[in-house]
Amino acid sequence: DSGVTQTPKHLITATGQRVTLRCSPRSGDLSVYWYQQSLDQGLQFLIQYYNGEERAKGNILERFSAQQFPDLHSELNLSSLELGDSALYFCASSGGGGNEQFFGPGTRLTVL
Amino acid sequence: KNEVEQSPQNLTAQEGEFITINCSYSVGISALHWLQQHPGGGIVSLFMLSSGKKKHGRLIATINIQEKHSSLHITASHPRDSAVYICAVRSNGNQFYFGTGTSLTVIP
Repeated sequence: DSGVTQTPKHLITATGQRVTLRCSPRSGDLSVYWYQQSLDQGLQFLIQYYNGEERAKGNILERFSAQQFPDLHSELNLSSLELGDSALYFCASSGGGGNEQFFGPGTRLTVL
Repeated sequence: KNEVEQSPQNLTAQEGEFITINCSYSVGISALHWLQQHPGGGIVSLFMLSSGKKKHGRLIATINIQEKHSSLHITASHPRDSAVYICAVRSNGNQFYFGTGTSLTVIP
């Protein structure tokens, strides 16, 4: 158990819908990272937050947004969902920007 | 062109064998990570390194910054080592790039 929690575990929804994925980092970790893992593209970095501020942005689509709240949990919002958004979404946390990351169990999103 | 290349893509070994997985990257980095992903999907960070060599139990990771190359070694491999091993780098521009992974199967 990494200490990082993600909810929900599984999510099935329809095209055009909007969903919110939630991540709670390990106690004391200030950085949260979001990743997408799909069958055709592998793991991709989406975005990083550090203590509530956006620190780095990767291949995050404009339809996606994220934020980190004062209690350090983070949410990833995915809107206008398309079939190609079906993937595993991982959250990871670390104590700082350059430290080892601890991964959550992931949320499996299926868009029908 | 991928920023991170791994080899081999697939690897089958007999229990007890010494295993090496290679990773080459093309960008300037601040750190390199080796990750392990089991069939259930969970990801575990094995190593984070920026120079030299690290060892955890039967696992050893090395990095050569000048050659932009890293290796992950598993000594005395065991069936429980069967997993996908992923190399990832954090670039100097604060981006993360991932290799496509090496699928390892260790046969008893």
